[in-house]
Amino acid sequence: NAGVMQNPRHLVRRRGQEARLRCSPMKGHSHVYWYRQLPEEGLKFMVYLQKENIIDESGMPKERFSAEFPKEGPSILRIQQVVRGDSAAYFCASSRGSSGANVLTFGAGSRLTVL
Amino acid sequence: KNEVEQSPQNLTAQEGEFITINCSYSVGISALHWLQQHPGGGIVSLFMLSSGKKKHGRLIATINIQEKHSSLHITASHPRDSAVYICAANFGNEKLTFGTGTRLTIIP
Repeated sequence: NAGVMQNPRHLVRRRGQEARLRCSPMKGHSHVYWYRQLPEEGLKFMVYLQKENIIDESGMPKERFSAEFPKEGPSILRIQQVVRGDSAAYFCASSRGSSGANVLTFGAGSRLTVL
Repeated sequence: KNEVEQSPQNLTAQEGEFITINCSYSVGISALHWLQQHPGGGIVSLFMLSSGKKKHGRLIATINIQEKHSSLHITASHPRDSAVYICAANFGNEKLTFGTGTRLTIIP
Protein backbone atom coordinates (compact mmCIF):
# COMPACT_ATOMS: atom_id res chain seq x y z
CA ASN A 1 0.00 0.00 0.00
CA ALA A 2 2.19 2.78 -1.31
CA GLY A 3 1.86 6.18 0.27
CA VAL A 4 1.60 9.45 -1.60
CA MET A 5 4.03 9.37 -4.51
CA GLN A 6 5.55 12.54 -5.82
CA ASN A 7 7.87 12.93 -8.76
CA PRO A 8 10.29 14.16 -9.64
CA ARG A 9 11.96 14.46 -6.24
CA HIS A 10 14.32 17.07 -7.58
CA LEU A 11 13.86 19.26 -10.64
CA VAL A 12 16.17 21.88 -12.04
CA ARG A 13 14.86 24.39 -14.54
CA ARG A 14 16.20 27.54 -16.16
CA ARG A 15 14.25 30.75 -15.99
CA GLY A 16 11.42 30.75 -18.50
CA GLN A 17 11.05 26.96 -18.70
CA GLU A 18 8.07 24.96 -17.51
CA ALA A 19 7.97 22.73 -14.43
CA ARG A 20 5.52 19.87 -14.02
CA LEU A 21 5.20 18.19 -10.66
CA ARG A 22 3.19 15.01 -10.27
CA CYS A 23 1.39 13.54 -7.29
CA SER A 24 -0.32 10.17 -7.02
CA PRO A 25 -2.50 10.07 -3.91
CA MET A 26 -2.68 7.18 -1.54
CA LYS A 27 -5.00 4.38 -2.64
CA GLY A 28 -8.55 5.17 -1.59
CA HIS A 29 -7.88 8.88 -1.17
CA SER A 30 -9.87 11.26 -3.34
CA HIS A 31 -8.78 14.59 -1.82
CA VAL A 32 -5.46 16.12 -2.93
CA TYR A 33 -3.73 19.19 -1.56
CA TRP A 34 -0.63 21.05 -2.75
CA TYR A 35 1.55 23.10 -0.43
CA ARG A 36 4.67 25.16 -1.05
CA GLN A 37 7.57 25.64 1.31
CA LEU A 38 9.90 28.46 0.34
CA PRO A 39 13.50 28.28 1.64
CA GLU A 40 13.60 28.97 5.38
CA GLU A 41 9.84 29.60 5.45
CA GLY A 42 6.78 27.71 6.60
CA LEU A 43 4.34 25.68 4.56
CA LYS A 44 1.64 27.53 2.62
CA PHE A 45 -1.54 26.11 1.15
CA MET A 46 -1.80 26.35 -2.63
CA VAL A 47 -4.72 24.34 -3.93
CA TYR A 48 -7.24 21.66 -3.00
CA LEU A 49 -8.60 19.28 -5.62
CA GLN A 50 -10.88 16.32 -5.96
CA LYS A 51 -11.11 14.17 -9.07
CA GLU A 52 -11.66 16.45 -12.08
CA ASN A 53 -12.46 19.43 -9.85
CA ILE A 54 -10.51 22.31 -8.37
CA ILE A 55 -12.26 22.99 -5.09
CA ASP A 56 -10.12 25.80 -3.62
CA GLU A 57 -7.24 27.47 -5.44
CA SER A 58 -7.09 30.56 -3.26
CA GLY A 59 -3.43 29.92 -2.39
CA MET A 60 -2.24 29.73 -5.98
CA PRO A 61 -0.40 32.67 -7.53
CA LYS A 62 -2.68 34.32 -10.07
CA GLU A 63 -0.39 33.77 -13.03
CA ARG A 64 1.77 30.95 -14.34
CA PHE A 65 0.52 28.33 -11.85
CA SER A 66 -2.15 25.75 -12.56
CA ALA A 67 -3.22 22.42 -11.10
CA GLU A 68 -5.32 19.54 -12.22
CA PHE A 69 -6.46 16.16 -10.96
CA PRO A 70 -7.82 14.25 -13.97
CA LYS A 71 -10.15 11.29 -13.84
CA GLU A 72 -7.23 9.01 -14.65
CA GLY A 73 -3.65 9.59 -13.56
CA PRO A 74 -1.87 11.74 -11.03
CA SER A 75 -2.54 15.29 -9.95
CA ILE A 76 -0.24 17.75 -11.69
CA LEU A 77 1.03 21.12 -10.54
CA ARG A 78 2.27 23.09 -13.51
CA ILE A 79 4.41 26.19 -13.33
CA GLN A 80 4.94 28.04 -16.58
CA GLN A 81 7.83 30.42 -17.29
CA VAL A 82 9.51 29.71 -13.98
CA VAL A 83 11.37 32.43 -12.12
CA ARG A 84 14.00 32.18 -9.37
CA GLY A 85 11.35 32.93 -6.75
CA ASP A 86 9.58 29.67 -7.64
CA SER A 87 12.48 27.70 -6.16
CA ALA A 88 10.90 25.82 -3.29
CA ALA A 89 9.79 22.44 -2.02
CA TYR A 90 6.33 21.51 -3.25
CA PHE A 91 4.47 19.00 -1.13
CA CYS A 92 1.39 17.05 -2.03
CA ALA A 93 -0.89 15.48 0.54
CA SER A 94 -3.98 13.33 0.24
CA SER A 95 -6.82 12.27 2.48
CA ARG A 96 -9.82 10.00 2.39
CA GLY A 97 -12.14 12.91 3.10
CA SER A 98 -12.12 16.44 4.41
CA SER A 99 -8.90 17.52 6.17
CA GLY A 100 -11.17 18.78 8.92
CA ALA A 101 -11.98 15.20 9.81
CA ASN A 102 -9.21 13.08 8.30
CA VAL A 103 -5.48 12.69 8.75
CA LEU A 104 -3.38 13.88 5.83
CA THR A 105 -0.71 11.72 4.25
CA PHE A 106 2.15 13.68 2.73
CA GLY A 107 4.40 12.87 -0.16
CA ALA A 108 8.17 13.28 0.09
CA GLY A 109 8.04 16.55 -1.80
CA SER A 110 9.42 17.83 -5.08
CA ARG A 111 12.29 20.29 -4.79
CA LEU A 112 12.37 22.77 -7.62
CA THR A 113 15.50 24.78 -8.29
CA VAL A 114 15.34 27.55 -10.85
CA LEU A 115 18.68 28.67 -12.23
CA LYS B 1 -7.82 36.77 10.60
CA ASN B 2 -6.92 33.09 10.74
CA GLU B 3 -3.56 32.75 12.47
CA VAL B 4 -1.53 29.99 14.07
CA GLU B 5 1.35 30.69 16.43
CA GLN B 6 3.84 28.22 17.80
CA SER B 7 6.30 28.40 20.64
CA PRO B 8 9.12 28.01 21.18
CA GLN B 9 10.75 28.54 17.79
CA ASN B 10 13.75 26.50 18.81
CA LEU B 11 14.12 23.99 21.62
CA THR B 12 17.22 22.09 22.69
CA ALA B 13 16.97 19.44 25.39
CA GLN B 14 18.87 16.51 26.82
CA GLU B 15 17.91 12.99 25.96
CA GLY B 16 15.21 11.74 28.31
CA GLU B 17 13.64 15.12 29.00
CA PHE B 18 9.91 15.76 28.74
CA ILE B 19 9.19 18.08 25.81
CA THR B 20 6.26 20.45 25.33
CA ILE B 21 5.55 22.42 22.17
CA ASN B 22 2.70 24.91 22.16
CA CYS B 23 0.30 26.08 19.47
CA SER B 24 -2.27 28.86 19.70
CA TYR B 25 -4.83 29.84 17.10
CA SER B 26 -6.90 32.93 16.61
CA VAL B 27 -10.47 31.79 16.03
CA GLY B 28 -12.55 28.61 16.10
CA ILE B 29 -11.28 25.64 14.17
CA SER B 30 -12.69 22.39 12.88
CA ALA B 31 -9.44 20.48 13.40
CA LEU B 32 -5.81 20.88 14.38
CA HIS B 33 -2.98 18.85 12.88
CA TRP B 34 0.47 18.15 14.29
CA LEU B 35 3.15 17.34 11.73
CA GLN B 36 6.79 16.30 11.94
CA GLN B 37 9.27 17.40 9.30
CA HIS B 38 12.46 15.37 9.26
CA PRO B 39 15.90 16.88 8.63
CA GLY B 40 15.70 15.38 5.15
CA GLY B 41 12.54 17.38 4.48
CA GLY B 42 9.84 14.68 4.52
CA ILE B 43 6.62 15.40 6.42
CA VAL B 44 4.76 12.93 8.60
CA SER B 45 1.34 13.54 10.05
CA LEU B 46 1.39 12.83 13.79
CA PHE B 47 -2.10 13.73 14.98
CA MET B 48 -5.36 15.25 13.85
CA LEU B 49 -7.62 16.30 16.69
CA SER B 50 -10.64 18.47 17.31
CA SER B 51 -11.08 17.89 21.04
CA GLY B 52 -9.50 16.22 24.03
CA LYS B 53 -6.31 14.25 23.88
CA LYS B 54 -4.60 11.65 21.68
CA LYS B 55 -1.62 9.44 22.43
CA HIS B 56 0.66 7.48 20.14
CA GLY B 57 3.70 5.87 21.71
CA ARG B 58 5.72 8.59 23.43
CA LEU B 59 3.76 11.38 21.77
CA ILE B 60 0.72 13.05 23.30
CA ALA B 61 -1.37 15.82 21.76
CA THR B 62 -3.96 17.82 23.65
CA ILE B 63 -6.31 20.58 22.63
CA ASN B 64 -8.31 23.09 24.68
CA ILE B 65 -11.06 24.50 22.50
CA GLN B 66 -12.06 27.23 24.94
CA GLU B 67 -8.50 28.54 25.25
CA LYS B 68 -7.74 28.00 21.54
CA HIS B 69 -4.57 26.17 22.43
CA SER B 70 -2.95 22.84 21.67
CA SER B 71 0.18 21.17 23.00
CA LEU B 72 2.38 18.39 21.72
CA HIS B 73 4.29 16.47 24.37
CA ILE B 74 7.13 14.02 23.94
CA THR B 75 8.01 11.78 26.85
CA ALA B 76 11.47 10.24 27.31
CA SER B 77 12.85 12.25 24.39
CA HIS B 78 15.46 10.66 22.13
CA PRO B 79 17.88 12.12 19.58
CA ARG B 80 15.78 10.57 16.79
CA ASP B 81 12.95 12.93 17.86
CA SER B 82 15.06 15.83 16.54
CA ALA B 83 12.95 17.43 13.82
CA VAL B 84 10.74 20.42 13.09
CA TYR B 85 7.27 20.08 14.58
CA ILE B 86 4.51 22.01 12.86
CA CYS B 87 0.94 22.65 13.92
CA ALA B 88 -1.69 23.48 11.33
CA ALA B 89 -5.34 24.46 11.68
CA ASN B 90 -8.48 24.02 9.63
CA PHE B 91 -10.50 27.21 10.08
CA GLY B 92 -13.71 25.65 8.84
CA ASN B 93 -12.43 24.98 5.34
CA GLU B 94 -9.84 22.83 3.58
CA LYS B 95 -7.19 25.54 3.53
CA LEU B 96 -4.76 24.52 6.28
CA THR B 97 -2.98 27.41 7.98
CA PHE B 98 0.44 26.44 9.29
CA GLY B 99 2.50 27.60 12.22
CA THR B 100 6.12 28.50 11.61
CA GLY B 101 7.36 25.32 13.25
CA THR B 102 9.41 24.43 16.31
CA ARG B 103 12.91 23.11 15.66
CA LEU B 104 13.62 20.47 18.31
CA THR B 105 17.13 19.18 18.97
CA ILE B 106 17.68 16.37 21.46
CA ILE B 107 21.25 16.00 22.65
CA PRO B 108 22.47 12.53 23.62
